[in-house]
Amino acid sequence: QSALTQPASVSGSPGQSITISCTGTSSDVGGHNSVSWYQQHPGKAPKLMIYDVSNRPSEVSNRFSGSKSGNTASLTISGLQAEDEADYYCSSYASSHTYVFGTGTKVTVL
Amino acid sequence: QVQLVQSGAEVKKPGASVKVSCKASGYTFISYAVHWVRQAPGQRLEWMGWINSGNGDIRYSEKLQGRVTFTTDTSASTAYMELSSLRSEDTAVYFCARNPPVTGFNDYWGQGTLVIVSS
Repeated sequence: QSALTQPASVSGSPGQSITISCTGTSSDVGGHNSVSWYQQHPGKAPKLMIYDVSNRPSEVSNRFSGSKSGNTASLTISGLQAEDEADYYCSSYASSHTYVFGTGTKVTVL
Repeated sequence: QVQLVQSGAEVKKPGASVKVSCKASGYTFISYAVHWVRQAPGQRLEWMGWINSGNGDIRYSEKLQGRVTFTTDTSASTAYMELSSLRSEDTAVYFCARNPPVTGFNDYWGQGTLVIVSS
């Protein structure tokens, strides 16, 4: 199972919006609504930010939103803040109860 | 509150095996699957597989099938990941994570266990 494709890096100024893409195939991202997004700060465990494409855990800021079109899922961060600087990974159900992560995107707040 | 506490760092020689534990608290252990994920230094997250102690289901990634074994001790609310025939490429931080029923995401994660494979 190949990793889902994400841009290596995305940057933005405080207050701006950025979008991170996650491209897979019809066997994973395009075939299921089980796409989730994780934020990871250096040396820390991942934190769930979005699940089932566009649902947000209650403790996650509403500045984070998710969507999907075809084989590509997206995570949008609005009103970018310094604390949003981290690595972000998408994940999708693949097949036969297996899962796959994305290549990861480093978000830099300028 | 939900917590997953993992065992400490390990240093192993090539060819050896390692067993990492993940002790759960704050919820009914058998009602949730446990996923295992690893991350080599500076690299992406890699899904390793999952175990559901409630119904006995287990899935391993194709890449690790044959070298990795997941088990649980339900009386201790603890999940274990054992990786054998270690090689340098297995040097990584290993995470366990809770997976709610009939979902594809992990809502709580352990702190991670560093495994170093070096001669």
